[in-house]
Amino acid sequence: KNEVEQSPQNLTAQEGEFITINCSYSVGISALHWLQQHPGGGIVSLFMLSSGKKKHGRLIATINIQEKHSSLHITASHPRDSAVYICAGGKTSYDKVIFGPGTSLSVIP
Amino acid sequence: KAGVTQTPRYLIKTRGQQVTLSCSPISGHRSVSWYQQTPGQGLQFLFEYFSETQRNKGNFPGRFSGRQFSNSRSEMNVSTLELGDSALYLCASSTGTVNSPLHFGNGTRLTVT
Repeated sequence: KNEVEQSPQNLTAQEGEFITINCSYSVGISALHWLQQHPGGGIVSLFMLSSGKKKHGRLIATINIQEKHSSLHITASHPRDSAVYICAGGKTSYDKVIFGPGTSLSVIP
Repeated sequence: KAGVTQTPRYLIKTRGQQVTLSCSPISGHRSVSWYQQTPGQGLQFLFEYFSETQRNKGNFPGRFSGRQFSNSRSEMNVSTLELGDSALYLCASSTGTVNSPLHFGNGTRLTVT
């Protein structure tokens, strides 16, 4: 069993749809990252969460430490949101980070 | 503020050679971490340096090593290259405190032939 799992693995959405990507983990993670990777490789850190909920523009991330679960929501999705979304966690934000397999999102105009 | 800079962007080496990759963090960041990304294994943590000391290490063989200089710039070295070392190598910098976000470079794509 992978230590960090994501669902779905692939996701296709129509522009404007509300999107949810889920992350569950089995290890003692206290700091969880949501990352975005576009074709070509560059990674952007979207959120770093240790509890509760964070919002940035159309993106919302939540984490439930007790249930070892986090979600990334994208409201009013846009084709430029097409990317691979990766959750990753560690005991601290700089600790040995364990990565999920990624969710490939494609938003169609 | 300049972002994280990795050099070179692309590298082609042959089996048995060694390679050194460089990462310059965001000014003021004292933590640099390194990651390997392959199609088969995904993203994996290599190691993390803070103030010239290795604080954390992933499960990679001793052929993978790194160091950090007093200006926080970091280098990663891979000796005796194997075909399986072909990957995208990413570094990230942060302030190094408990809940500080990571800022990634664009990576170095290493091909071993």
